[in-house]
Amino acid sequence: QQQVKQSPQSLIVQKGGISIINCAYENTAFDYFPWYQQFPGKGPALLIAIRPDVSEKKEGRFTISFNKSAKQFSLHIMDSQPGDSATYFCAATNSGGGADGLTFGKGTHLIIQP
Amino acid sequence: SQTIHQWPATLVQPVGSPLSLECTVEGTSNPNLYWYRQAAGRGLQLLFYSVGIGQISSEVPQNLSASRPQDRQFILSSKKLLLSDSGFYLCAWSAGTGTEAFFGQGTRLTVV
Repeated sequence: QQQVKQSPQSLIVQKGGISIINCAYENTAFDYFPWYQQFPGKGPALLIAIRPDVSEKKEGRFTISFNKSAKQFSLHIMDSQPGDSATYFCAATNSGGGADGLTFGKGTHLIIQP
Repeated sequence: SQTIHQWPATLVQPVGSPLSLECTVEGTSNPNLYWYRQAAGRGLQLLFYSVGIGQISSEVPQNLSASRPQDRQFILSSKKLLLSDSGFYLCAWSAGTGTEAFFGQGTRLTVV
């Protein structure tokens, strides 16, 4: 029930292309879905987040698409740049849940080739 | 604004030696605090979390312990390190349940 499944595990995209990372969850009580970006040797940084009352949220080149009925959400990176090369984690949590915080996906290692 | 400090950034320790990693948060009060471990190229494993001073919950039984002596201070300790304790340790805080967490810059621990 608490699992968040993330795919693909690794992804190579050409510069200027669209990077797409997918996540699926089982716990219907989840009501907040953040994405994190982590560069090597650094802590994960919050990138963008969505609540299930909207189907899409866009911030610059980053867009979250959310499908509540399918219990899936995805991160789209438009016009991908070499500086976007990093590991991306999706996560989920719910306001009425325990204090153990976010449930994370296992991460996607993204490489943008110049 | 809130900031989280974690130190040291890197640490090399011999097997059997003690460990103390410290994390402090500024700019907020009564945060939820977390310790995660990340193996190379792997995901985030929650080790401990705390909702208040002296309140520690352990997610994974192991050679490590955590303490919260002050509201915004979280410490990860070990009495005797094992080789398997090597990894990237991350401290994080959140304002409560159902919200995002904010991470420190991590400590790379190598046990030799």
